[in-house]
Amino acid sequence: AQSVTQPDIHITVSEGASLELRCNYSYGATPYLFWYVQSPGQGLQLLLKYFSGDTLVQGIKGFEAEFKRSQSSFNLRKPSVHWSDAAEYFCAVGLSGGYNKLIFGAGTRLAVHP
Amino acid sequence: DTGVSQDPRHKITKRGQNVTFRCDPISEHNRLYWYRQTLGQGPEFLTYFQNEAQLEKSRLLSDRFSAERPKGSFSTLEIQRTEQGDSAMYLCASSLERERGEQFFGPGTRLTVL
Repeated sequence: AQSVTQPDIHITVSEGASLELRCNYSYGATPYLFWYVQSPGQGLQLLLKYFSGDTLVQGIKGFEAEFKRSQSSFNLRKPSVHWSDAAEYFCAVGLSGGYNKLIFGAGTRLAVHP
Repeated sequence: DTGVSQDPRHKITKRGQNVTFRCDPISEHNRLYWYRQTLGQGPEFLTYFQNEAQLEKSRLLSDRFSAERPKGSFSTLEIQRTEQGDSAMYLCASSLERERGEQFFGPGTRLTVL
């Protein structure tokens, strides 16, 4: 069965520090991979997506993610975190073959210290 | 493009009552999805429409749940005889009809069953 694992429930970083959020997936075929961010009272916003091609993808707000097939991972990174990045981050797998039903991880809550 | 809208944003009800939520997708999107998100978890897929046809329902969608999308525009999700376990955020998303169509999420309806 398809699944997504985000090993870190909570992460705290200092403003200006670098960030890496981990995501591992289990899916038999070529996955479509997504990172979404959810702020309190807000809907899910797409940060970036990977379908094929270059394994390093750039997204909005200075985020990037790298697809590593050998490790079944799609980790999200940002070189310098801003206080406004505090939110919950979700990794998701889109099932190929017709439509994008998304399977989400449980999320990582990011806190940013000034 | 006003985005995906959901109504109401919050609903408090007593156990045993029926509730209905509405989702208005982005106007040109013919795919519409419902997800449920409980506290501390990522969204879980409930059901999916292409135009007015409901093409897949998760086993999470018990017979107390029914979703419709008349005329392929807005959608409603009804929960009959609500239970405390139904308390969650109900998210709606829409996308264009293509395999890699990005899903745009609404702000969600938070249901509390007392």
